[in-house]
Amino acid sequence: EVQLVESGGGLVQPGGSLRLSCAASGFTFSSHWMHWVRQAPGKGLVWVSRIQTDGSTTTYADSVRGRFTISRDNAKNTLYLQMNSLRAEDTAVYFCARAVSDYFDLWGQGTVVTVSS
Amino acid sequence: DIQMTQSPSTLSVSVGDRVTITCRASQSISAWVAWYQQKPGKAPKLLIYRASTLQSGVPSRFSGSGSGTEFTLTISSLQPDDFATYYCQQCHSYPVTFGGGTQVEIK
Repeated sequence: EVQLVESGGGLVQPGGSLRLSCAASGFTFSSHWMHWVRQAPGKGLVWVSRIQTDGSTTTYADSVRGRFTISRDNAKNTLYLQMNSLRAEDTAVYFCARAVSDYFDLWGQGTVVTVSS
Repeated sequence: DIQMTQSPSTLSVSVGDRVTITCRASQSISAWVAWYQQKPGKAPKLLIYRASTLQSGVPSRFSGSGSGTEFTLTISSLQPDDFATYYCQQCHSYPVTFGGGTQVEIK
């Protein structure tokens, strides 16, 4: 089955860190740019970051640049998002998504990140 | 950043109605627009890409049009499964950005 499955979300204090994972299956993971998109409670979709097929190029939203790091392990078919210096405004559902020409044709179910003391 | 202004924010409609949702870009983006459907607690689902191309498996009652700065998603005859929130997305340049969403609810 073609799917993306996120994990690693949870409750963390402000200033803390979390690492999200996204396990891909059913398709050639290494052939696709991959992205993270987030959605704060009751709000719309916001793009977070992207990574090229071989990991050589990464791009970030201004709101997370310098705090978040996207990476991938093509041998393990897994995408990651290392999130440091977390803030309350980072609270959201985080989705990983497969890209085709910068639109997203496959999404994971999402993992919830809550930043609160 | 390119702003995507979506309207209306809420639409109260009945089964069988024709639904039109509009998205306006802050600058010309050619046909680099995608549309998604999202149901509560679920991931978005791609409906339309490149402004008017129907994603595989999506019912033909969904259609998209437009270019430049004005784009439209149309549902020709709303079905019970179509009550959801719809988002446009510009894929022209980074950061890619989404519209604020249109919630289609039962009248």
